Amino acid sequence: SSELTQDPAVSVALGQTVRITCQGDSLRGYYATWYQQKPGQAPVLVIFGNNNRPSGIPNRFSGSNSGNTASLTITGAQAEDEADYYCSSRDTIDNTVPFGGGTKLTVL
Amino acid sequence: QVHLQQWGAGLLKPSETLSLTCAGYGASFTGYYWSWIRQSPGKGLEWIGEINQSGDTKYNPSLKSRVTISMDTSKNQMSLKLTSVTAADTAIYYCASGWLQLDQSYYYYMDIWAKGSTVTVSS
Repeated sequence: SSELTQDPAVSVALGQTVRITCQGDSLRGYYATWYQQKPGQAPVLVIFGNNNRPSGIPNRFSGSNSGNTASLTITGAQAEDEADYYCSSRDTIDNTVPFGGGTKLTVL
Repeated sequence: QVHLQQWGAGLLKPSETLSLTCAGYGASFTGYYWSWIRQSPGKGLEWIGEINQSGDTKYNPSLKSRVTISMDTSKNQMSLKLTSVTAADTAIYYCASGWLQLDQSYYYYMDIWAKGSTVTVSS
């Protein structure tokens, strides 16, 4: 199985742009998937594949992938974006599903 | 409205078997993968394992010896059994359904999540 690494915490001023990164070998084979989790709630899918957003996810959320690194960018962060963000993918060898440790985003 | 609903015992004693069931409503879920994920108090997400509609399973290597995931496609239901639980298995357990894309680009996502079940292991 593989591992994904995220910065534990990131902060951004209201209305500014923030990038959350994720690193791991599995990202060389599979695009990263990003989930948002607010306190007391189940995770919500925000980005999958080559920068795809599910219905209902604002277009200020975008994703990118390069080599073993993936990024989630929030352009014009809002107060409601304050949450934990998890990256995930899939291991090309054993098909397990790793999660990153999560990044706590604070909107100042 | 497409949604998942899960249920099962919330309080267990050490060495007992955790048993949870998850049912899908509002869609056929054809081709979807069904997963269990857990989150220990104050910690991140941990994938437990998955099953597809063909009955093929994959498990987290760290839990593989204790986990069984099964599926009843006729009922759109998935079940989780985790044997010999300890306090370290105390967590919120989520079921989720997702899609594995293997055509031209590779990605996997879980787009439908249940609200989660709190499971506490205590003597």
